[in-house]
Amino acid sequence: AQKVTQAQTEISVVEKEDVTLDCVYETRDTTYYLFWYKQPPSGELVFLIRRNSFDEQNEISGRYSWNFQKSTSSFNFTITASQVVDSAVYFCALSPDSNYQLIWGAGTKLIIKP
Amino acid sequence: DGGITQSPKYLFRKEGQNVTLSCEQNLNHDAMYWYRQDPGQGLRLIYYSQIVNDFQKGDIAEGYSVSREKKESFPLTVTSAQKNPTAFYLCASSYSSGSSYNEQFFGPGTRLTVL
Repeated sequence: AQKVTQAQTEISVVEKEDVTLDCVYETRDTTYYLFWYKQPPSGELVFLIRRNSFDEQNEISGRYSWNFQKSTSSFNFTITASQVVDSAVYFCALSPDSNYQLIWGAGTKLIIKP
Repeated sequence: DGGITQSPKYLFRKEGQNVTLSCEQNLNHDAMYWYRQDPGQGLRLIYYSQIVNDFQKGDIAEGYSVSREKKESFPLTVTSAQKNPTAFYLCASSYSSGSSYNEQFFGPGTRLTVL
């Protein structure tokens, strides 16, 4: 089975706190890509990052960082010093080489309170 | 600016009517997709097209139809056969659907409400 699980339905934190969004995936493919997208209240999904299955290096982009661990099939996303503008729904997605279609998690709604 | 446009932003339909949602892209992408999103849920694939004049059903194609006569355009028709069409519809495109590498770019979405 190929599946993406985002167990956190909603997270609420106060501005400037760090927050981690969890993503666990299942696939039998050895080659695949993982993605994170952000969906602000306007509705349009915005691509954040792509990671391939052979690259387990952590990625940092400003206040955003991603931790990919094949041993636990996880691709977690951390926002450091959160800001109100980070409030959105965040989706994790899997693209296995056998399928080429994106398999989406259910999303995590992140609320940053001022 | 390159991007994906969807129109209209909001659409109201009476039961029993067909409606067509527009999706246009000027990114020169080969592949285009239609997703449905229900409140609090992820995205579900309705149809996708890898090339002009060709398209495939996704996970929830029943009650929907598409066409791909031009590379830039991928309209979605919600037919009266769709039992529960009220949802947010997102169109996306990518360079190719023949690779797991390519990220998809999304339009702003159309919110369809059946009255």
